[in-house]
Amino acid sequence: DAMVIQNPRYQVTQFGKPVTLSCSQTLNHNVMYWYQQKSSQAPKLLFHYYDKDFNNEADTPDNFQSRRPNTSFCFLDIRSPGLGDAAMYLCATSGLAHEQFFGPGTRLTVL
Amino acid sequence: DQQVKQNSPSLSVQEGRISILNCDYTNSMFDYFLWYKKYPAEGPTFLISISSIKDKNEDGRFTVFLNKSAKHLSLHIVPSQPGDSAVYFCAARETGNQFYFGTGTSLTVIP
Repeated sequence: DAMVIQNPRYQVTQFGKPVTLSCSQTLNHNVMYWYQQKSSQAPKLLFHYYDKDFNNEADTPDNFQSRRPNTSFCFLDIRSPGLGDAAMYLCATSGLAHEQFFGPGTRLTVL
Repeated sequence: DQQVKQNSPSLSVQEGRISILNCDYTNSMFDYFLWYKKYPAEGPTFLISISSIKDKNEDGRFTVFLNKSAKHLSLHIVPSQPGDSAVYFCAARETGNQFYFGTGTSLTVIP
């Protein structure tokens, strides 16, 4: 089945230790998104790619970086995680239609 | 500033009755509105959408109504089933592939 896959599902890291979250898709969609969601809050868009064109939200901290080496894969790098970065990280894609397809998310814990 | 708002964090409905989830928005440039359903430990899944040029879209038990003058949309689920118990997110798309989400409404359908 075509889908959006996120690995790992649960990630534990230490304060200040870099971490990378990965997302892959088999939908061949040209747009990929990274959202941060904290408890009882709306998913917050961090950035998105339209093909290789990177779009950063104005309030996304510099601590967050992203890479999209090809259509299928997109990575979220957190250079120096702080306690406030503990959250669910959601990857999503969209194609020609208007809806987004989400992965299951990666729950990040920062110790 | 939150452009999409869901003012009811939770809703309980008896099985078989109608569930009405509400959403308000502030940006008149949104061209599509979407509803997502989210179970615990899973990513949001697309449920139903409506174009800004329409006022109603129906798909089985789910109907979305859009009132552009009031900048308000609602999701009706009838009849409600226990399996509908989940968190429902309202989202809106701005041209340019940006999506904005509400904070979600947790629906509980009581058997």
